[in-house]
Amino acid sequence: DGGITQSPKYLFRKEGQNVTLSCEQNLNHDAMYWYRQDPGQGLRLIYYSQIVNDFQKGDIAEGYSVSREKKESFPLTVTSAQKNPTAFYLCASSTGQTSYEQYFGPGTRLTVT
Amino acid sequence: GQNIDQPTEMTATEGAIVQINCTYQTSGFNGLFWYQQHAGEAPTFLSYNVLDGLEEKGRFSSFLSRSKGYSYLLLKELQMKDSASYLCAVRDSTGGSYIPTFGRGTSLIVHP
Repeated sequence: DGGITQSPKYLFRKEGQNVTLSCEQNLNHDAMYWYRQDPGQGLRLIYYSQIVNDFQKGDIAEGYSVSREKKESFPLTVTSAQKNPTAFYLCASSTGQTSYEQYFGPGTRLTVT
Repeated sequence: GQNIDQPTEMTATEGAIVQINCTYQTSGFNGLFWYQQHAGEAPTFLSYNVLDGLEEKGRFSSFLSRSKGYSYLLLKELQMKDSASYLCAVRDSTGGSYIPTFGRGTSLIVHP
């Protein structure tokens, strides 16, 4: 089955620790995205990548980093510089930047205390 | 960027019809999307409009008026499982970026 996976579903970390969220897709999509969602808020774009070894900052990139070494994988690192990291993180992919729709993973709920 | 506005919450009765509105302001409109998101889950694609008019897909329809910067999602024969958040997203081609910007979502509560 083709799809997009994120792991883990729930993640707990202590303040000051970096944490990496996994995102993998086997849809052969070129473009991948990371969004953050807070209660009562829409999705806000953190980073996106149109092609392997290339990525761009979204609207709220501060305190986050990404890599795109493989087409299938787009991990997101939440660094200790992110002031308010507790949120629901969603990864998405699409065939290209102008594609018809984005496919979303199940999300990772990160809690930092 | 875009300014997207949709109601925060709506309630409706099972079997009824509900219309969720979305207004937007953008300089390089390149399409409008509607997604459904159940609590704690991933958004799932419902519809895409790039030309004016109504797109019908089963119980769900989506309408677009580019001149008015306005769209609505129409849900017919409401079912309890339609209780979810409905996200309006607008794609803008200004600057070469085609990434959709999402509104805050409309939480729809369907009651018996």
